[in-house]
Amino acid sequence: SQTIHQWPATLVQPVGSPLSLECTVEGTSNPNLYWYRQAAGRGLQLLFYSVGIGQISSEVPQNLSASRPQDRQFILSSKKLLLSDSGFYLCAWSVRNPSSYNEQFFGPGTRLTVL
Amino acid sequence: AQKITQTQPGMFVQEKEAVTLDCTYDTSDQSYGLFWYKQPSSGEMIFLIYQGSYDEQNATEGRYSLNFQKARKSANLVISASQLGDSAMYFCAMRGEYNYGQNFVFGPGTRLSVLP
Repeated sequence: SQTIHQWPATLVQPVGSPLSLECTVEGTSNPNLYWYRQAAGRGLQLLFYSVGIGQISSEVPQNLSASRPQDRQFILSSKKLLLSDSGFYLCAWSVRNPSSYNEQFFGPGTRLTVL
Repeated sequence: AQKITQTQPGMFVQEKEAVTLDCTYDTSDQSYGLFWYKQPSSGEMIFLIYQGSYDEQNATEGRYSLNFQKARKSANLVISASQLGDSAMYFCAMRGEYNYGQNFVFGPGTRLSVLP
């Protein structure tokens, strides 16, 4: 069966510090991968998605970046965190070339607080 | 462009009663899928139920059912016999027919509180 891991689970960082969040998927190959951010009490905002190694598409211009160095690894980074980067970060995967009936599967999330 | 609307920011229901969470959508795609996710306070997103645009029958999964009215572009989630553990955020989402990585769209969510 497929599983998706995220770490760390929680993170408290000072403004201006770097960030690296990692997501890995097991039990599937060639997945589509996604990074979402969720502000407190709000909906999900798609940040990045990837359809393959080294292929990253950005949905929202910001000081965050994403990379996919391996097929089942997705990394979210920042060189300098802002207060507005605080939130709950969710990684998700779906099958490659998803049809309309393919759901997304989510990881447990990382709760980031920027002070 | 696709859009999901959930007009109920918060809902209350008495334990053991049924509750309907509203979801309307907008798309020009002929084929699409509609999904409901539950997010408890722990933060994980739990897939609940799926309805395809060509499915003639409403989807059901245990205590969850989806009231799909295609002409009205609505896909309401019905939870029967509510339990305290149903208290959570609920998100309606849709995926269009085109194979773009970004074609999964979420609504703003509804917070459901089940009262004892």
